[in-house]
Amino acid sequence: GNSVTQMEGPVTLSEEAFLTINCTYTATGYPSLFWYVQYPGEGLQLLLKATKADDKGSNKGFEATYRKETTSFHLEKGSVQVSDSAVYFCALSRGGGYQKVTFGTGTKLQVIP
Amino acid sequence: DADVTQTPRNRITKTGKRIMLECSQTKGHDRMYWYRQDPGLGLQLIYYSFDVKDINKGEISDGYSVSRQAQAKFSLSLESAIPNQTALYFCATSPTGRAGEQFFGPGTRLTVL
Repeated sequence: GNSVTQMEGPVTLSEEAFLTINCTYTATGYPSLFWYVQYPGEGLQLLLKATKADDKGSNKGFEATYRKETTSFHLEKGSVQVSDSAVYFCALSRGGGYQKVTFGTGTKLQVIP
Repeated sequence: DADVTQTPRNRITKTGKRIMLECSQTKGHDRMYWYRQDPGLGLQLIYYSFDVKDINKGEISDGYSVSRQAQAKFSLSLESAIPNQTALYFCATSPTGRAGEQFFGPGTRLTVL
């Protein structure tokens, strides 16, 4: 079946540091890939997406590239801010009738001033 | 105004009690979902609905039931709550054909004593 594996957290960075959160996936066919962010006390919000190989999703300074050869979709940001502190979820969606979404377990990011 | 709302936001109940969690949306989406979030486990799908007459079990439906009263309303019931159902519950919606692009409510924190 489909699965998503994320690096375990928490990840603690100083403000303005470079961020990478690793995500790899297992799926048959050609899934769409997503990153969601969950701020404290809130529901998940879609951060970015990529629907085919070599696509780059980007939003709010975050980027992730769909790498089919390495089955990866790593999240990056060049300079994190305290306000980026949250839990980040990688997810995939297969095509077809239901398009079930499989979420990773989440990676907590803490940015300190 | 929030696009996906959940009530209540917090609930403490006792073992054996019947509990209903409610979800309403103004997104106009046909597809709605109920998830459970436990620390370290990510999101687990309980039930999903494609429209008012199409309701399907997810990964962990045992002990739960749902009702889709209208396109905009999707309720989750615990017929006889037990302590291991203590968790954070999220409702979500998505556009038809884009299941990976989900919009989440703020969540209901349920504690079963």
